[in-house]
Amino acid sequence: QSVLTQPPSVSAAPGQKVTISCSGSSSNIGRNFVSWYQQLPGTAPKLLIYENNKRPSGIPDRFSGSKSGTSVTLGITGLQTGDEADYYCGTWDSSLSGWVFGEGTKLTVL
Amino acid sequence: QITLKESGPTLVKPTQTLTLTCTFSGFSLSTSGVGVEWIRQPPGKALEWLALIYWDDDKRYSPSLKSRLTITKDTSKNQVVLRMTNMDPVDTATYYCARRSGDTVYYWGQGTLVTVSS
Repeated sequence: QSVLTQPPSVSAAPGQKVTISCSGSSSNIGRNFVSWYQQLPGTAPKLLIYENNKRPSGIPDRFSGSKSGTSVTLGITGLQTGDEADYYCGTWDSSLSGWVFGEGTKLTVL
Repeated sequence: QITLKESGPTLVKPTQTLTLTCTFSGFSLSTSGVGVEWIRQPPGKALEWLALIYWDDDKRYSPSLKSRLTITKDTSKNQVVLRMTNMDPVDTATYYCARRSGDTVYYWGQGTLVTVSS
């Protein structure tokens, strides 16, 4: 069981907005930057958000990240069928002295 | 353009040692702040971080797997090698290598599926 907690699944209709939460503790999210990764079926993860809320070049502004205390949230607006994927949060855990990932959230665009 | 590619056996027997090589291009592992790490993903399951080696040869390991892992680098060959001893069927997974800069993994390899079975 991961130290970062994500909902197993979320769903929404095309064009709508969805949020995915990632909850941790003071030893990980509370004191370190968080990244979000998108993993399309059968492919390697892809960086979506880094340092809590920054988007790499090429990532549309439909994707956003925010942080509050020991939790972070990924927001996706204007949902498209191509957004169907697994989404993972990840950060350093100072107590474990290692990088940790959430269990992943499967996004379904109905 | 930064690329990473994993190579190694696709099938190993229980108790054997797995050796995976990550060959990369487009960056140097002698650049300050840069690291290469290994992450794995069992079929249908979540990502699991394994090990990381930095430009200055600082090494970090997953606490739960530390006794079984060794990570090394060959800067001249642009390669990072991961060794995992005493393989078990539960270690069946896709193994990814990735480039880290600071707090972020920006680039991932395509992954290689390793099956542990007799």
